[in-house]
Amino acid sequence: EIVLTQSPGTLSLSPGERATLSCRASQSVGSNYLAWYQQKPGQPPRLLIYGASSRATGIPDRFSGSGSGTDFTLTISRLEPEDFAVYYCQQYGSSPLYSFGQGTKLQIK
Amino acid sequence: EVQLEESGGGLVKPGESLRLSCVVSGFTFRNAWMSWVRQAPGKGPEWVGYMRSKTDGGTTDYAAPVKGRFTISRDDSKNTLYLQMNSLRTEDTAVYHCATGNYGAYDLWGQGTMVTVSS
Repeated sequence: EIVLTQSPGTLSLSPGERATLSCRASQSVGSNYLAWYQQKPGQPPRLLIYGASSRATGIPDRFSGSGSGTDFTLTISRLEPEDFAVYYCQQYGSSPLYSFGQGTKLQIK
Repeated sequence: EVQLEESGGGLVKPGESLRLSCVVSGFTFRNAWMSWVRQAPGKGPEWVGYMRSKTDGGTTDYAAPVKGRFTISRDDSKNTLYLQMNSLRTEDTAVYHCATGNYGAYDLWGQGTMVTVSS
C-alpha cells in the first residue's frame, strides 16, 4: 500500500514569500499521477496541479508542481492572502487506487 | 454550469444503513468515471470507491475499509450516482463527496453530505 507523507505539517509564512511544500511517496507513483489540492474551511478540495506539474484550469501561474518517482513539490512563488489554506497531495494508480497525504497547513506568520 | 449535489446524509446508529445520492448537471454524466471521497472531521480526504462509465464496463473498486459494506451504483437516465452504506461504523463518520475528473485527479467535487454514525 502506497503512503504519501507531506512535510512540513504546518508552514508559517508572510504574504509575498515563497512556499515550498513536499510530498514523499512510500513507492514510486506510476506515470507521475500525482495531484495537489487546496482546501479552505467548509469547502471541498480544489484541484491545483495534476500529472505532477500541469496546472488545472484557472489556476494562477504562481502555483507550480515538480518532481517524479517518490518525491514531489508544490511551490507557490509569491503568497497571496487567499493562498493560506490546507494543501493535500494525492496519487492515483497504486493500491489503494487513490490515496491522499495528511496535509500541510499554510498559515500566516 | 457544472454542479454535483449530494444528499441523503444524517445521523444513524452503528450497524444501520444509509444511501447517499449525487445528482450532477453540466457535463455528460454517462461518460464519467465517478467517485466517492470522504473526509472525517479534521482529517484529510479518503477515497471510498469509484464506478467506471457503462461504456467502460461499469465496474467498481473500493477502498479496503469499506469493501463488502459499501456499494456504488449509478442511474445514467437520472444523472445520479449512489452510495449504499451498510453495517455502518463510528469510523465512517465523515462528509461524503462525489467527485470526478481525468488524469487520476478530481477537478469536480460536490459540497458533500454529512454522515454521523453514533449510538
